[in-house]
Amino acid sequence: QKEVEQDPGPLSVPEGAIVSLNCTYSNSAFQYFMWYRQYSRKGPELLMYTYSSGNKEDGRFTAQVDKSSKYISLFIRDSQPSDSATYLCAMKKTGGSNYKLTFGKGTLLTVNP
Amino acid sequence: DTGVSQDPRHKITKRGQNVTFRCDPISEHNRLYWYRQTLGQGPEFLTYFQNEAQLEKSRLLSDRFSAERPKGSFSTLEIQRTEQGDSAMYLCASSLAQTGVNEQFFGPGTRLTVL
Repeated sequence: QKEVEQDPGPLSVPEGAIVSLNCTYSNSAFQYFMWYRQYSRKGPELLMYTYSSGNKEDGRFTAQVDKSSKYISLFIRDSQPSDSATYLCAMKKTGGSNYKLTFGKGTLLTVNP
Repeated sequence: DTGVSQDPRHKITKRGQNVTFRCDPISEHNRLYWYRQTLGQGPEFLTYFQNEAQLEKSRLLSDRFSAERPKGSFSTLEIQRTEQGDSAMYLCASSLAQTGVNEQFFGPGTRLTVL
């Protein structure tokens, strides 16, 4: 079993829809939870991150972490065609190995105009 | 553009040949990372430098792979005797050494195809 599991999709939604992306993880040592967006043939870029449990909102994006369930989510409101990309969840520990990111497979999202 | 740059962007080689990739991090970043991403997968950690010191190598990094970061600036990743299984996107990232989220900024990657 991989440390981080993510449904690869693909996910196709109409413009304006609410999108829900999710990851589960098995290692309770993860403390930072991140969402990266990767456009085709580009490197990943950090969208937002959460430390430990809770919610964080940034514009149309909301990240949620439920450490008791080892489950994280990213919600995109009023989705736009420009949101079409692969969304990767990533996690890292604190302390000695706080430099290494562990990624999910990524979910390919297409927002149709 | 002051982001992470990688060269070349694409490399096609024949099995058994050696290849070398270069990464130029963001200038003030003292940490540099290499990841490998295969089709349909997320990036997987390969190795990490703090300044010129290579502090960790993943088990994914076989003895055919070597990475250097002379003088703590740019880094090179060399693959000797390439195999078809080495075909992947090789991503470089850099960050500051600090507590907290320590955001890693990724370059555009080098896509390697081994024929």
